[in-house]
Amino acid sequence: QKEVEQDPGPLSVPEGAIVSLNCTYSNSAFQYFMWYRQYSRKGPELLMYTYSSGNKEDGRFTAQVDKSSKYISLFIRDSQPSDSATYLCAPSSGTYKYIFGTGTRLKVLA
Amino acid sequence: GAGVSQSPSNKVTEKGKDVELRCDPISGHTALYWYRQSLGQGLEFLIYFQGNSAPDKSGLPSDRFSAERTGGSVSTLTIQRTQQEDSAVYLCASSQQGTVSGANVLTFGAGSRLTVL
Repeated sequence: QKEVEQDPGPLSVPEGAIVSLNCTYSNSAFQYFMWYRQYSRKGPELLMYTYSSGNKEDGRFTAQVDKSSKYISLFIRDSQPSDSATYLCAPSSGTYKYIFGTGTRLKVLA
Repeated sequence: GAGVSQSPSNKVTEKGKDVELRCDPISGHTALYWYRQSLGQGLEFLIYFQGNSAPDKSGLPSDRFSAERTGGSVSTLTIQRTQQEDSAVYLCASSQQGTVSGANVLTFGAGSRLTVL
């Protein structure tokens, strides 16, 4: 079993839709949960992160962590064509090492 | 610099040749990482530097792969006797520290796309 599992997609949604992107993980030592966004031919960039369980909101984006079920989610409200990218989850135990998911490719159609 | 710079952005080489990939991290970032991204495989950790030393090189796939960092700054990833399975995007990232706290997150370069014919 991989440490982090993420559906690779692609996921196609119409503009304005609510998008739900998800990851599961197996290591209960993970405490920090990052979401990176990667546009085509670019490096990943940090979108947001949460510490431990709970929700965190930043504009149209909400990150959610459920440590009891080892499940992390990223919600995008009012999705825009500019949100079309690959979204990678990356949990960490707080050391230097990040474990990245395979990424979910999202396409928002105008 | 303002961001993490990687060169070359694209490299096409023949099987069996050696290649060098360069990473120039953000000034002042002590931690530097190399990752490999293959189609459908996500980001694969290769090596981590803290300063000039590499406390974790567990992700290097074989002894054909090596990396060094000098002056606590620029890093070079070298692949000897390249094979077709080495074709991938090689990403470099840096952070202020090796642990996650506050704003100490990874900043990635745009990557070096390697194609081995």
